[in-house]
Amino acid sequence: GAGVSQSPSNKVTEKGKDVELRCDPISGHTALYWYRQSLGQGLEFLIYFQGNSAPDKSGLPSDRFSAERTGGSVSTLTIQRTQQEDSAVYLCASSSQGPTDTQYFGPGTRLTVL
Amino acid sequence: QKEVEQNSGPLSVPEGAIASLNCTYSDRGSQSFFWYRQYSGKSPELIMSIYSNGDKEDGRFTAQLNKASQYVSLLIRDSQPSDSATYLCAVNIWHRSNYKLTFGKGTLLTVNP
Repeated sequence: GAGVSQSPSNKVTEKGKDVELRCDPISGHTALYWYRQSLGQGLEFLIYFQGNSAPDKSGLPSDRFSAERTGGSVSTLTIQRTQQEDSAVYLCASSSQGPTDTQYFGPGTRLTVL
Repeated sequence: QKEVEQNSGPLSVPEGAIASLNCTYSDRGSQSFFWYRQYSGKSPELIMSIYSNGDKEDGRFTAQLNKASQYVSLLIRDSQPSDSATYLCAVNIWHRSNYKLTFGKGTLLTVNP
């Protein structure tokens, strides 16, 4: 079936605005993950969903970041009052059951905060 | 000690040579290990997964795992220019009652024609 999809592919916003990033996992995958990758940096874990609940949200960098998942499928990552340091590629991944399974990545959303 | 460390690179090899990529990890309890390839401007794609000590081969790629030494490596035989990419080692580390896939910083590999 189709892989992980993310939208938008690119987002340019002004400092202080809110943004929403969307992830549609592989059909049937119960686990979903959000990561952030800044230029030249490694992947930074943000949050993990199992179904609609988030057992691990320890990577969210501040309370401006939140995420939800509905229907055990689509997830939205929201960044409020964006700052320039939020500029990065936001990657979503899904796995069939949990964190020990192979994670498959979406194409990412490149966020630029002016 | 960082949770997952990779040899710093960049690594440059001639076409046809063997490229060797190395990774160490801190959590003795880790059970699953992955190598991802990331082309510039693209998202990571899975190359290999390995769960047991020893070697696992898939085409030109061989992953090697030594849990006693907390070491995992990736060998690429007959390297091709198309193998030029950043290679990410990822290890499941126990964190707050769950495993968390933790990535190294990556090693940039360049294969010269």
